[in-house]
Amino acid sequence: DVKVTQSSRYLVKRTGEKVFLECVQDMDHENMFWYRQDPGLGLRLIYFSYDVKMKEKGDIPEGYSVSREKKERFSLILESASTNQTSMYLCASSSPRKPQHFGDGTRLSIL
Amino acid sequence: GDSVTQMEGPVTLSEEAFLTINCTYTATGYPSLFWYVQYPGEGLQLLLKATKADDKGSNKGFEATYRKETTSFHLEKGSVQVSDSAVYFCALSALNTGNQFYFGTGTSLTVIP
Repeated sequence: DVKVTQSSRYLVKRTGEKVFLECVQDMDHENMFWYRQDPGLGLRLIYFSYDVKMKEKGDIPEGYSVSREKKERFSLILESASTNQTSMYLCASSSPRKPQHFGDGTRLSIL
Repeated sequence: GDSVTQMEGPVTLSEEAFLTINCTYTATGYPSLFWYVQYPGEGLQLLLKATKADDKGSNKGFEATYRKETTSFHLEKGSVQVSDSAVYFCALSALNTGNQFYFGTGTSLTVIP
């Protein structure tokens, strides 16, 4: 079975902090994705990556950046956390044109 | 652009009732269609998929048929259980959009005994 592991289930940070969310997949998938999930808004794509060191902006990239130095790891960075970034963050991975596999999510609170 | 529209929730049903969650899509190409399920406190899991018109995806008693003429992929189950309580997401992926998925906003289902 595909395993997508997110480093934290729950995280509490303060406004202005730099926050790192880590995601690791064990199936050698080329594609990796970061979403945020908010009530009534569904899943919104923040960034995605088709290959190592490649990244593409999704629908809501402002205030975020990503890093993909190794194929199995995709990091989401909140450069200066703000309260409106309090959300559930979901990481996913896939092979090209195949279903996405999701991690369990990180519930991030910014105080 | 490509998009998915699914019925608003929440939906509350009694155990053994029939379930339908509507999903329609807009796509310029020939998309693959998916239903994902999210149980409380967990990430999304693939429930079923269909890759071409008239395909029927099925899993755990759930079914959905890819209807190109009505651009729909409605989720159905004949007899729901309490354990089916979750949020259900319809999604599409089209070749012309590369590897991006487009998700609906999700429909929350609660099944009461």
